[in-house]
Amino acid sequence: NAGVTQTPKFRVLKTGQSMTLLCAQDMNHEYMYWYRQDPGMGLRLIHYSVGEGTTAKGEVPDGYNVSRLKKQNFLLGLESAAPSQTSVYFCASSYSVGSYEQYFGPGTRLTVT
Amino acid sequence: DQQVKQNSPSLSVQEGRISILNCDYTNSMFDYFLWYKKYPAEGPTFLISISSIKDKNEDGRFTVFLNKSAKHLSLHIVPSQPGDSAVYFCAARSSGSARQLTFGSGTQLTVLP
Repeated sequence: NAGVTQTPKFRVLKTGQSMTLLCAQDMNHEYMYWYRQDPGMGLRLIHYSVGEGTTAKGEVPDGYNVSRLKKQNFLLGLESAAPSQTSVYFCASSYSVGSYEQYFGPGTRLTVT
Repeated sequence: DQQVKQNSPSLSVQEGRISILNCDYTNSMFDYFLWYKKYPAEGPTFLISISSIKDKNEDGRFTVFLNKSAKHLSLHIVPSQPGDSAVYFCAARSSGSARQLTFGSGTQLTVLP
């Protein structure tokens, strides 16, 4: 089991460019999440999904879009990157019942210049 | 407005001694609390959790205490080992949400040999 994987691991973008971050999980989890981590801010929820074909906004959704076309994949898109989106992005997944534990991927470090 | 606060950005402890990491929360709807550990360049990994109906949960060297009246929880690590050096995040789940977690800003624990 690979658990939760994220692609790419690192990326540098220029202001205004677009990109998509890919998250994949092989644990058959219903729920998936995208977080960003900034110094002194902890992990903040961007968007989440409670099942294939569904998405919802989290705490800091502006400037991001997401899609969950397949149960195992959750994509995070930046349409027009801004320096304020420089951050480390983490994807996570969880079961829909039982423990509230979330399983995290290794992260993507994004720099927008 | 941070609903989950970790007021100590860093903590240093001698190997073999006790480490105590603290977390305060403001939302009375939180009913489940988790601690995560994060090493550099890796995603957070689940450590231990506690339901609001309990005041203590123990797992090996790790014990979490919950004081609901004070809206305070703490993680005790006894004895501390150099491999415990990491960032520790406190997280909470609200009974009014699906399975979303709210994270604190983290505490960097350094265990000195």
